[in-house]
Formats: sequence, structure tokens, C-alpha cells
Amino acid sequence: QLLLQESGPGLVKSSETLSVTCTVSGGSISSSLYYWGWIRQPPGKGLEWIANIHHSGSTYHNPSLRSRVTISVDTSKNQFSLNLSSVTAADTAVFYCARRHVAAGWFDPWGQGTLVTVSS
Amino acid sequence: QSALTQPASVSGSLGQSITISCTGTSSDVGSYNLVSWYQQHPGKAPKLLIYEVTKWPSGVSNRFSGSKSGNTASLTISGLQAEDEADYYCCSYASTNTVIFGGGTKLTVL
Repeated sequence: QLLLQESGPGLVKSSETLSVTCTVSGGSISSSLYYWGWIRQPPGKGLEWIANIHHSGSTYHNPSLRSRVTISVDTSKNQFSLNLSSVTAADTAVFYCARRHVAAGWFDPWGQGTLVTVSS
Repeated sequence: QSALTQPASVSGSLGQSITISCTGTSSDVGSYNLVSWYQQHPGKAPKLLIYEVTKWPSGVSNRFSGSKSGNTASLTISGLQAEDEADYYCCSYASTNTVIFGGGTKLTVL
């Protein structure tokens, strides 16, 4: 059974860089069939796709966040990570990682999510 | 990239059927049969319900069904059960390997 687990700092100061990591277990991150993605959800609000990465290193970003997002993959650790720079209170959210099918676009499974709060 | 449009809330009685709409544009929902739906209970991660407009992942009840017409996709839940009370999100492929989510719909089971 494929499991994804996010880890993050919990609290980040405004204007700094938020970093979260997703560890994949029960399967390889190096499958060509899948991307690995980040989705966020501000408290009480909806889901917003942030970015995807393929094990080959190909990346795809939400245009509205592109300038502040860096996504990377470490196949040796079966992990992928997200950096979001110049954060503000509006970036406070639960960050989910998920596996995304390359062709069909669906996300499954999802990690449990990690809440990152941006403080001033 | 604007969110797909979903009703903020819908409600239905136990045993009834309800439909949640998801309206996009000709650049996303209208161009690709790559709409997926997710169920999210409070404090939990989203769960895949439907993919490629009409397909079920293994383990998902066939009480959930999907369809699409033009720029609007729909999720129908038949035989409403108490445990169906949750938030529902649609998601569509939107070109160049980007995706876009709907704003979410809160389902209340009466």
C-alpha cells in the first residue's frame, strides 16, 4: 500500500521560505506513470494545486505561484519537497502531497497533510 | 487560472439523490475528459471518488457517478447516506500538465 507522509516546520515567519517534504513508502517514486504533487488548503477554504514533479525532474507549476515555488525530488530517499518563498499570512494552509497520474491527472493517494502557519 | 465553479452547498435527505455541478471553460473541463472528484471529511485528506469523468477507483461505491456536458461536469450521489456528508471538490486537467480545482461544495444530509 502506497503511503505519503508530509513533514514541515509548523510555523514560518512572514517573508521567509516555507519548506515541506513528502516521504513516499510502499512504492517507488521513480515510476514513469506518475507525477508527485503538492496541493494546499487554507483553513476553511478550498484546495489549490501548487506544483508537480516527475522523478526525471520535469516540473509543472500553478502559474499564480510559479515565481515563488521550487519543487524538487530525491529518488534515493523516495522523497520530494516544496519550497515557497516570501510567504505571507495568506500562505497559511494545510499542505498535502499526493501522487498524480501523468495522463489522467487524478490525485491518489494523498498524505494526511501538514499545517504550516505563517506568523508576522 | 480561476477555480472551477461549484455550488457552495447542497443538501438532500437520506436515500435521495443529489447532483453537484462543476463549471469550467473550454480550456479545461470542456477540452478534456480528465475531470476527477474528491470527497473530504472534516480534518481529513481528500479521497479520490471519480476519475476521467466517469470512472471509479477500486473500493469506491457505485452510488457515486460522474458525467460531463460541454464545460460542466457533474457528480451524482444516489441513495444518500449519513456518511456522505462531506465537502466535495472537482478537478480538471487544464493543459500543459496543470490542473485546477473547484471551489468545493458542502453536502449536508438531512
